[in-house]
Amino acid sequence: GAVVSQHPSWVICKSGTSVKIECRSLDFQATTMFWYRQFPKQSLMLMATSNEGSKATYEQGVEKDKFLINHASLTLSTLTVTSAHPEDSSFYICSAGDVGRAGEQYFGPGTRLTVT
Amino acid sequence: QQPVQSPQAVILREGEDAVINCSSSKALYSVHWYRQKHGEAPVFLMILLKGGEQKGHEKISASFNEKKQQSSLYLTASQLSYSGTYFCGTEYPAGNKLTFGGGTRVLVKP
Repeated sequence: GAVVSQHPSWVICKSGTSVKIECRSLDFQATTMFWYRQFPKQSLMLMATSNEGSKATYEQGVEKDKFLINHASLTLSTLTVTSAHPEDSSFYICSAGDVGRAGEQYFGPGTRLTVT
Repeated sequence: QQPVQSPQAVILREGEDAVINCSSSKALYSVHWYRQKHGEAPVFLMILLKGGEQKGHEKISASFNEKKQQSSLYLTASQLSYSGTYFCGTEYPAGNKLTFGGGTRVLVKP
């Protein structure tokens, strides 16, 4: 089956610092990856759509200068939370779809970010 | 716009059945169902494309009523492993992204 990995699985950082989260599709190529944020006991909220070789598409209300997305290759997308604040603490999850199987999205294991 | 899921939570005894509904205010292209265990990423269950398809995954099946713009997930003869939060993700004709419902928390007790 399709496997998506994320690194790190959890991270604690100080307020004002930046954190980079990696999302990799291990056994398939993904031209599009998605980044979600999930607060405790809440739904998955799409932050942005990451497109290989082009700029990411951000959802309304998501600050593109704060959440930097880079989709450098068909298997790697990164999310950088810049100048993190405690309110950015959340569970960040990426997903990717196999280009050969339109529609199915495979989620990474998630990254729990805590900003102190 | 976020699809509406109901109920918000359900408690079952092992072997009982349950239905989870997902309704959209806009016409749908497809509906995806996922189950998420606490602290883990969502796991794909099935996708339903417009056309009124009904699909199954073990004893979990789903239907998609295009006219009513809703999908239902059926948990049949529930097992302890069915516990978790179920999310529907809706895809609209104009886009390639999923919008998730608020989730339905399912607890299956022995």
